[in-house]
Amino acid sequence: DGGITQSPKYLFRKEGQNVTLSCEQNLNHDAMYWYRQDPGQGLRLIYYSQIVNDFQKGDIAEGYSVSREKKESFPLTVTSAQKNPTAFYLCATSLATNTGELFFGEGSRLTVL
Amino acid sequence: QKEVEQDPGPLSVPEGAIVSLNCTYSNSAFQYFMWYRQYSRKGPELLMYTYSSGNKEDGRFTAQVDKSSKYISLFIRDSQPSDSATYLCAMSASGKWGGSNYKLTFGKGTLLTVNP
Repeated sequence: DGGITQSPKYLFRKEGQNVTLSCEQNLNHDAMYWYRQDPGQGLRLIYYSQIVNDFQKGDIAEGYSVSREKKESFPLTVTSAQKNPTAFYLCATSLATNTGELFFGEGSRLTVL
Repeated sequence: QKEVEQDPGPLSVPEGAIVSLNCTYSNSAFQYFMWYRQYSRKGPELLMYTYSSGNKEDGRFTAQVDKSSKYISLFIRDSQPSDSATYLCAMSASGKWGGSNYKLTFGKGTLLTVNP
């Protein structure tokens, strides 16, 4: 089935550790995004990528890093520099020519202990 | 003033009620308006998509856009318990890929509960 797979679904991390969240898609969409969702804050854009080997910072990129080596994959690393990493992380994709329809994965919930 | 304002609720209604969800915005450049539905612990899914002003109907759902008032609405008729979810409005200014103003701006979401 076509879709977006995020893993792990739940992740616990100790302070000071980096963690990488996986996002894989088989929709053949050009663009991929990472959002963070916190209670009462809505969705905030972390990074996005329009094509392979290129990506741009979103509104809250500090403390995060990404790579886009393959069209299908857009992993997000939450580094120890991110001061409040506990959140629900959502990966999304869209067609390059699309005007706003995002397709979301199921999300990854990161908890820092 | 935030770019997009959405009452977070929670909103609780009986089954069969008509539900009205709303967002206001300040950026007059917004032209593309969306409503996403998000069930608990899931990713959002696109529910309705409209361009510029006007109405769009899809089954029990109607989306309205009033650009002169910078106000968008989602109406749900004959609401069902399965409609219980968080509803997020979203909007963007540009349909042109790669443009610097191509970005979705989301509201904070309204939590809706439909009671049987």
